[in-house]
Amino acid sequence: GAVVSQHPSRVICKSGTSVKIECRSLDFQATTMFWYRQFPKQSLMLMATSNEGSKATYEQGVEKDKFLINHASLTLSTLTVTSAHPEDSSFYICSAQRPSGRVLFGYEQYFGPGTRLTVT
Amino acid sequence: SQELEQSPQSLIVQEGKNLTINCTSSKTLYGLYWYKQKYGEGLIFLMMLQKGGEEKSHEKITAKLDEKKQQSSLHITASQPSHAGIYLCGAAGSQGGSEKLVFGKGTKLTVNP
Repeated sequence: GAVVSQHPSRVICKSGTSVKIECRSLDFQATTMFWYRQFPKQSLMLMATSNEGSKATYEQGVEKDKFLINHASLTLSTLTVTSAHPEDSSFYICSAQRPSGRVLFGYEQYFGPGTRLTVT
Repeated sequence: SQELEQSPQSLIVQEGKNLTINCTSSKTLYGLYWYKQKYGEGLIFLMMLQKGGEEKSHEKITAKLDEKKQQSSLHITASQPSHAGIYLCGAAGSQGGSEKLVFGKGTKLTVNP
């Protein structure tokens, strides 16, 4: 099956610093990756769609200047949380999309293991 | 915007019992994903269903998609403690292109030995 990795798995940083999270598709190329955020005991909330070679598309209410996304290659997308604050503490999960070969529904999504960010 | 409602929110069963989790969409389902998540971990892909009454099975887990009802169900037969976790359904609201997924709130399953 398709494998997606995230690094780091856990990070603790001080308020005001920036943190970069990497998402890699290990055995397939992903022109599109997605970044989600999950609060305790809640479902995943889509933050942005990351497209290789172009600007990310952000969901309503997500600050693009705060959550910088770079999709530099077909296997790597990065999310940088700039000037992090305690309210940014959360579980961040990425997913990578690959074609499923089906006619009606072209894609499958595979998720990384997540990154737990704690801002002190 | 599309919303997915999962029921029940939580479920506690005895090992060996069967159970069903439902996922209902507010809009047409072009495709439906089922994932399993353990708290604080990533999502494990279980199954993906296309439009049109598709049914898939993997080991003791069977998922069905009923297009007319805009609903999917996940059925576990003879549950085991290893089945415990949070089950999430996710749906793509459009056909083709980039598949942004909207997720339900999840169903927390506990299986008592």
